[in-house]
Amino acid sequence: RKEVEQDPGPFNVPEGATVAFNCTYSNSASQSFFWYRQDCRKEPKLLMSVYSSGNEDGRFTAQLNRASQYISLLIRDSKLSDSATYLCVVNAGGYQKVTFGTGTKLQVIP
Amino acid sequence: DGGITQSPKYLFRKEGQNVTLSCEQNLNHDAMYWYRQDPGQGLRLIYYSQIVNDFQKGDIAEGYSVSREKKESFPLTVTSAQKNPTAFYLCASSIDPGDLPSGLAKNIQYFGAGTRLSVL
Repeated sequence: RKEVEQDPGPFNVPEGATVAFNCTYSNSASQSFFWYRQDCRKEPKLLMSVYSSGNEDGRFTAQLNRASQYISLLIRDSKLSDSATYLCVVNAGGYQKVTFGTGTKLQVIP
Repeated sequence: DGGITQSPKYLFRKEGQNVTLSCEQNLNHDAMYWYRQDPGQGLRLIYYSQIVNDFQKGDIAEGYSVSREKKESFPLTVTSAQKNPTAFYLCASSIDPGDLPSGLAKNIQYFGAGTRLSVL
């Protein structure tokens, strides 16, 4: 089983739709969780950290389910500019133990 | 503006040649990293450094070398021993987790714009 798994997509959604991605992780000792956004041929950029209580930033909501070992990202009222690949990142502690998922591609359609 | 600068943006390597990718940061971060990204794959860790004059191998260090003589700089050399060097190389940095208050997510990494390396 991969350390971090994501559905590669693509998720093709119309503007204004709500879309959700999940990411599962295998290491139960994982401590920190993040969602990054990566545009085509660009570097990843931090979208948001994921906290145990769940957190929201505008149209984006991230949640953590430790019992089932997954994190989720919900995007409401999708915009064309949300089109990108969303990377799930898990840190099991220590500098080396940061694992990136392969990403979920989102395409928002006019 | 604070950030991480990678150069060059594009680089071409000839057979048997060593090439060096530059990474400079002015964020005053202690930790720096090099990753490789291939199409359809996640980022894979090549080397990382927690402090000046110290660095550790990541998951795919063979065929690569690094140095960390200054806090701001972490250059990566792709040697001729790396037989499949074509990839997107990303440098990142992060604050020492020990410097963060408890309760905050640890080891947030900030990336440079990357270098695309191709073989001629």
